[in-house]
Amino acid sequence: DQQVKQNSPSLSVQEGRISILNCDYTNSMFDYFLWYKKYPAEGPTFLISISSIKDKNEDGRFTVFLNKSAKHLSLHIVPSQPGDSAVYFCAASRPSAGNNRKLIWGLGTSLAVNP
Amino acid sequence: DGGITQSPKYLFRKEGQNVTLSCEQNLNHDAMYWYRQDPGQGLRLIYYSQIVNDFQKGDIAEGYSVSREKKESFPLTVTSAQKNPTAFYLCASSHYDDAKNIQYFGAGTRLSVL
Repeated sequence: DQQVKQNSPSLSVQEGRISILNCDYTNSMFDYFLWYKKYPAEGPTFLISISSIKDKNEDGRFTVFLNKSAKHLSLHIVPSQPGDSAVYFCAASRPSAGNNRKLIWGLGTSLAVNP
Repeated sequence: DGGITQSPKYLFRKEGQNVTLSCEQNLNHDAMYWYRQDPGQGLRLIYYSQIVNDFQKGDIAEGYSVSREKKESFPLTVTSAQKNPTAFYLCASSHYDDAKNIQYFGAGTRLSVL
């Protein structure tokens, strides 16, 4: 059962335009959402997060929007640059028994920014 | 520089052989994790450890084993029972009391079967 879904396996945008990556989730107990960026043959790097009590968080060119009623979040990159070409993972965090926390990961969206 | 070091970068396993992947962190993080990534797939959790001398199975623990004798180290052994070990293995760590659970990753180990 995929609790975190990234329904678009790939996305292609022109340099300077906006990139919008989408993520849907099913579990209303998630209290934090995170976006990671991953280049081939490297580990993911943390980009930006948002608390479930917020609807927007911004960090430079990256903005994450959360729509709790729709169980949907999106990552906006403006303006997109060729160096943004990577796989982007959406992940969700929630508390569980014994204060153990795990991240639940989406399958990723491969972004290509064309010069 | 603080970070997570995985070694080796590439590893080859022969039939019936156990191999061990190393993961060391100097971030003073309590929690450590092992993930497996297959082509076109997301990250699947193998094992995780919140404190020294304690660890829990993740979603795909069969055929793998771990130990956590030191806070800095969380080695993963891929045993001969793991019939399809070819994958990219990622180690991560985080602060135990971080509600966001921001995990920091190593550069990965690519394991192939000879």
